[in-house]
Amino acid sequence: ILNVEQSPQSLHVQEGDSTNFTCSFPSSNFYALHWYRWETAKSPEALFVMTLNGDEKKKGRISATLNTKEGYSYLYIKGSQPEDSATYLCAQNSGGSNYKLTFGKGTLLTVNP
Amino acid sequence: DGGITQSPKYLFRKEGQNVTLSCEQNLNHDAMYWYRQDPGQGLRLIYYSQIVNDFQKGDIAEGYSVSREKKESFPLTVTSAQKNPTAFYLCASSIKGRRNYEQYFGPGTRLTVT
Repeated sequence: ILNVEQSPQSLHVQEGDSTNFTCSFPSSNFYALHWYRWETAKSPEALFVMTLNGDEKKKGRISATLNTKEGYSYLYIKGSQPEDSATYLCAQNSGGSNYKLTFGKGTLLTVNP
Repeated sequence: DGGITQSPKYLFRKEGQNVTLSCEQNLNHDAMYWYRQDPGQGLRLIYYSQIVNDFQKGDIAEGYSVSREKKESFPLTVTSAQKNPTAFYLCASSIKGRRNYEQYFGPGTRLTVT
């Protein structure tokens, strides 16, 4: 089983702060890296899927980068808002399959107003 | 609206009983998945299906069974052989054949076995 690690485990920021967190994964047999946002009492929702080294994706105030050679991805949130409070999950395609994902434990972000 | 439904939201069973969790999708997705979440752990894959009448074991398939008789439906049975069945179960689906697919998740079922 692949080891996908996320840090920090939890994070508290003030409204308006910018923040970032990390997803680390084995760099061998890499297919794709996914980021999901999981708000309390809702379903996980896809944010980004990245496949190429150096990929950068952006959606509003949220962006992500990918380094497949060293095995990490960063998720950035600019000007955090209370509605950004959620658990952010990253997941990697397992080698040899286009379907299986291995998830990290997530980073719980709380944005205080 | 297209999406994934899971029912029921909460399920209670006595130890030793089999229980089936429902998952239905109307997204016309070929692939479907079952995950389990336990406190302090990431989502772990139980079973997945790439196409009707075909499915593969994930990382923690012991004590579970699935069927995929229809494209829209992927029920999960938690058998009495599953040693720690109490958990939160998530169903998901994705388009087949794309390497950079994303998964769409249902709202989950919380199963409590006493």
